[in-house]
Amino acid sequence: EDQVTQSPEALRLQEGESSSLNCSYTVSGLRGLFWYRQDPGKGPEFLFTLYSAGEEKEKERLKATLTKKESFLHITAPKPEDSATYLCAVQSHYGGATNKLIFGTGTLLAVQP
Amino acid sequence: DTGVSQDPRHKITKRGQNVTFRCDPISEHNRLYWYRQTLGQGPEFLTYFQNEAQLEKSRLLSDRFSAERPKGSFSTLEIQRTEQGDSAMYLCASSLESNYGYTFGSGTRLTVV
Repeated sequence: EDQVTQSPEALRLQEGESSSLNCSYTVSGLRGLFWYRQDPGKGPEFLFTLYSAGEEKEKERLKATLTKKESFLHITAPKPEDSATYLCAVQSHYGGATNKLIFGTGTLLAVQP
Repeated sequence: DTGVSQDPRHKITKRGQNVTFRCDPISEHNRLYWYRQTLGQGPEFLTYFQNEAQLEKSRLLSDRFSAERPKGSFSTLEIQRTEQGDSAMYLCASSLESNYGYTFGSGTRLTVV
């Protein structure tokens, strides 16, 4: 069964204190791994898609990396506005035509000034 | 507006009542998804439409739930005889057939009292 596990569940950082969020996955044929950001009371906002091991993508203070077993979201010198829940999700090649996403439970990030 | 719109944003209903939610996807997107998210959890797949055809339904979707997408445009999700366990955020997302990524709406928060 396809599964996504995120750690830690919650992370508190001081402004400027860099860290990484982890997403471990098991999937029957990875089609894509997705990172989303979700603010309270809102829908998930797309950040990155990674397709193959070794791939990296960057956006402002965020950098996502992918191996065959896990993905990391590195946050460099975070600011308070980076506070949110970060969700990881996978799509399987064997999910048929649906392209449905299997999500983890997320990491709640709080960045204090 | 180029985003996914959901209406209403919030709905409070008494147990046993029927509720209906609406989703307007990005106009050129032919794929539409419904997800459900409870507090502290990631979104869970409910159902998927390609144009007007409902191609997959999750086992989470009991007989009390029905979804439609007439003419392949907007979609509605109806819950009959609501139960307290139906309280959740209901998220709609859309995508292009050739694109693995989704755009989510802001969701409808349902509270069953």
